[in-house]
Amino acid sequence: DTEVTQTPKHLVMGMTNKKSLKCEQHMGHRAMYWYKQKAKKPPELMFVYSYEKLSINESVPSRFSPECPNSSLLNLHLHALQPEDSALYLCASSHIAERPYEQYFGPGTRLTVT
Amino acid sequence: GQQLNQSPQSMFIQEGEDVSMNCTSSSIFNTWLWYKQDPGEGPVLLIALYKAGELTSNGRLTAQFGITRKDSFLNISASIPSDVGIYFCAGQPAPVPSGNTGKLIFGQGTTLQVKP
Repeated sequence: DTEVTQTPKHLVMGMTNKKSLKCEQHMGHRAMYWYKQKAKKPPELMFVYSYEKLSINESVPSRFSPECPNSSLLNLHLHALQPEDSALYLCASSHIAERPYEQYFGPGTRLTVT
Repeated sequence: GQQLNQSPQSMFIQEGEDVSMNCTSSSIFNTWLWYKQDPGEGPVLLIALYKAGELTSNGRLTAQFGITRKDSFLNISASIPSDVGIYFCAGQPAPVPSGNTGKLIFGQGTTLQVKP
């Protein structure tokens, strides 16, 4: 099973709303990632979790709050977002010790902030 | 920061033609990866390369890790309509910073369109 699942597939939220994006993998990967992607651009790394601990935060605004409840799940909590935060949000996972750079991506959540 | 220069930016080809694209850097990379992304979907890993000079195939796709470790190439033979999409190269630069688990540098992508 090389599948990373993400829910919801689409999300429309107002600037005062609080919402969460969810990601799940069952490949035994111990590294999980959040990326933001604008149209026709490469993914931009936001956060990395290694062994359920936050290891990289790419200076992401605090209105984005990641959480890794266990080795299979990754959440991204959203609050007070801006219209420019509208994008495709991608989750990915990989091994840590063996081939750590082979990242497997989910289908993404298309987020629109109104 | 480090950058990957991916070219061409876009290609419009006839079905059945072969396709070549490449990625270059001014610094050395330890790992090269090639991804394909369909509209509205996440990137799919096509090929991973770990050794200088390595040549790896995946069906009609062939990728190479350049001898200088500063470039990589992806070739697609006998293109078909479902090859349409954006192809991204990605790499892990050397040396690997401490605690920098899995942080990849992405190229800007090559958009491929195939005319039936």
